[in-house]
Amino acid sequence: SQTIHQWPATLVQPVGSPLSLECTVEGTSNPNLYWYRQAAGRGLQLLFYSVGIGQISSEVPQNLSASRPQDRQFILSSKKLLLSDSGFYLCAWSFGGSYNEEFFGPGTRLTVL
Amino acid sequence: SQQGEEDPQALSIQEGENATMNCSYKTSINNLQWYRQNSGRGLVHLILIRSNEREKHSGRLRVTLDTSKKSSSLLITASRAADTASYFCATDKTDSWGKLQFGAGTQVVVTP
Repeated sequence: SQTIHQWPATLVQPVGSPLSLECTVEGTSNPNLYWYRQAAGRGLQLLFYSVGIGQISSEVPQNLSASRPQDRQFILSSKKLLLSDSGFYLCAWSFGGSYNEEFFGPGTRLTVL
Repeated sequence: SQQGEEDPQALSIQEGENATMNCSYKTSINNLQWYRQNSGRGLVHLILIRSNEREKHSGRLRVTLDTSKKSSSLLITASRAADTASYFCATDKTDSWGKLQFGAGTQVVVTP
């Protein structure tokens, strides 16, 4: 069976500090991978998605970047965090193509002070 | 703007009652999905309905899709306290391969 791991669970960082959130998937190969951000009480905003190693598409201009160094590893990064980067970050994967559900990780609560 | 818009934003019911929430969207879709999120957790997939389907059931869940009205509904029958969560619809648009767009969600509270 497939599992998705995401860490850390919570993170408090000062403004201007770097960020690295990691997501890994087990039990499948060549998944589509996604990073979402969820503001409090809101829906999910797709930040990045990837259909393969080194292939990253950005959905919205922002202070963040993503990388996929291995098939089942997806990393969300920032060189300098802003207050507006605070939120709940969710990683997800799917088998790819249409008609496929997405499987979500447990999320990372990021607070930038 | 969001592709999926849920209605109502919040819903409070008692155990045993049915909960109905709606989702409207703007453009053509391949499928529409419903997800559930417990507070502070990741989302869990509930059900997927394809654009050529009109109704689907899964346990106590019933989903309908009306592509002419660009709307869907999720019905939870005989609700339980454990159904307390936020529910999101997500659309897989025809011009947006493999990417879902989520609505803002309906927050459901079921009281014993």
